Amino acid sequence: AQSVTQLGSHVSVSEGALVLLRCNYSSSVPPYLFWYVQYPNQGLQLLLKYTSAATLVKGINGFEAEFKKSETSFHLTKPSAHMSDAAEYFCAASKGGTSYGKLTFGQGTILTVHP
Amino acid sequence: DSGVTQTPKHLITATGQRVTLRCSPRSGDLSVYWYQQSLDQGLQFLIQYYNGEERAKGNILERFSAQQFPDLHSELNLSSLELGDSALYFCASSVTVNAEAFFGQGTRLTVV
Repeated sequence: AQSVTQLGSHVSVSEGALVLLRCNYSSSVPPYLFWYVQYPNQGLQLLLKYTSAATLVKGINGFEAEFKKSETSFHLTKPSAHMSDAAEYFCAASKGGTSYGKLTFGQGTILTVHP
Repeated sequence: DSGVTQTPKHLITATGQRVTLRCSPRSGDLSVYWYQQSLDQGLQFLIQYYNGEERAKGNILERFSAQQFPDLHSELNLSSLELGDSALYFCASSVTVNAEAFFGQGTRLTVV
């Protein structure tokens, strides 16, 4: 069974600082990987996804993530944090194929951005 | 706006009761997924339907059931509710079973 681990339930950065949210997956077969963002009282919005094409994936709002098979990681980064980035972020994995939308989620990381 | 509509947005009910959550998928989407987000368990996949038929099951309790109707909307039925069932329930939809799923804004269920 695959699992997803997000290191750090809370991350706090200053506005303009680098954002780094960590995600590791456990799977015998490299899965499809996703990062979602959830703003308060909102649904989940897809930031970016890895589907075995390029290992460096660019998403919306200036976020990107790099798939590293050797480290079984898919960390999310943004060079410069903005106040509007404050939200909860979820890393998720699926087996792809006909199970594409059946996602296994990490526990989430709450990002706080302070002035 | 993802195009996935969930009703109601909020629901407060008593223990032992039964509720029905409704999901209208994006136009043209045939597959519907239900997820539960709780403080204890995080985000968990419950069940998937495709074109009216159950496709995959996750950590769904026996007290919970779902169905997808001919017009492709889906309902999640929760019965004999317990305090621990309080959670945010998300519906997601995708065009096919191997396509990206788009999430609705969720129904927040509070059991008192």
